[in-house]
Amino acid sequence: TQLLEQSPQFLSIQEGENLTVYCNSSSVFSSLQWYRQEPGEGPVLLVTVVTGGEVKKLKRLTFQFGDARKDSSLHITAAQPGDTGLYLCAGGGGSQGNLIFGKGTKLSVKP
Amino acid sequence: NAGVTQTPKFQVLKTGQSMTLQCAQDMNHNSMYWYRQDPGMGLRLIYYSASEGTTDKGEVPNGYNVSRLNKREFSLRLESAAPSQTSVYFCASSEDPGWGSYNEQFFGPGTRLTVL
Repeated sequence: TQLLEQSPQFLSIQEGENLTVYCNSSSVFSSLQWYRQEPGEGPVLLVTVVTGGEVKKLKRLTFQFGDARKDSSLHITAAQPGDTGLYLCAGGGGSQGNLIFGKGTKLSVKP
Repeated sequence: NAGVTQTPKFQVLKTGQSMTLQCAQDMNHNSMYWYRQDPGMGLRLIYYSASEGTTDKGEVPNGYNVSRLNKREFSLRLESAAPSQTSVYFCASSEDPGWGSYNEQFFGPGTRLTVL
């Protein structure tokens, strides 16, 4: 069974701090996606990484796919209250051809 | 362009009652999915439809049935609701199934279901 482990599960920081969220697996994935979910809404795709070692930047967010395509990280620089939400990683190419979701990291950024 | 829509947004059922959750997408996507989201459990796939006319079980299909009515619509039915089915249900769609591809999924706003 393919699993994605996210850490930390919860993160509470002050505005302006930096943070990193990790997504790890013992399995290889063809792609890795990061979603953000705000309370009362569905997840929204932030980025997809497909090549081992790939780094993508989205404003203050930096996403990295591990060289072996088994892990990924999300780094946020100078976090803002608007970054608050649940961050989900999802691996593509699962055994049923579907996405495998991690359990998420709940981020709270206090002003 | 509404994306993925779900109805109802909220529902309260008694144990043993039945109901159907509706989902529609207007992006001409081939694949559609039903997930449930529970605290500490992440998103778990219930059923999916890789293309019109096909449906397959996901990780947690017991107690549910689905119908891919046409390319746009994918419904989820609870025949005899149980308290363990209290959850938030999300419908999603993607252009193609994720057979080694990017499989970027677009989610609806969710249905919050409580079974008493």
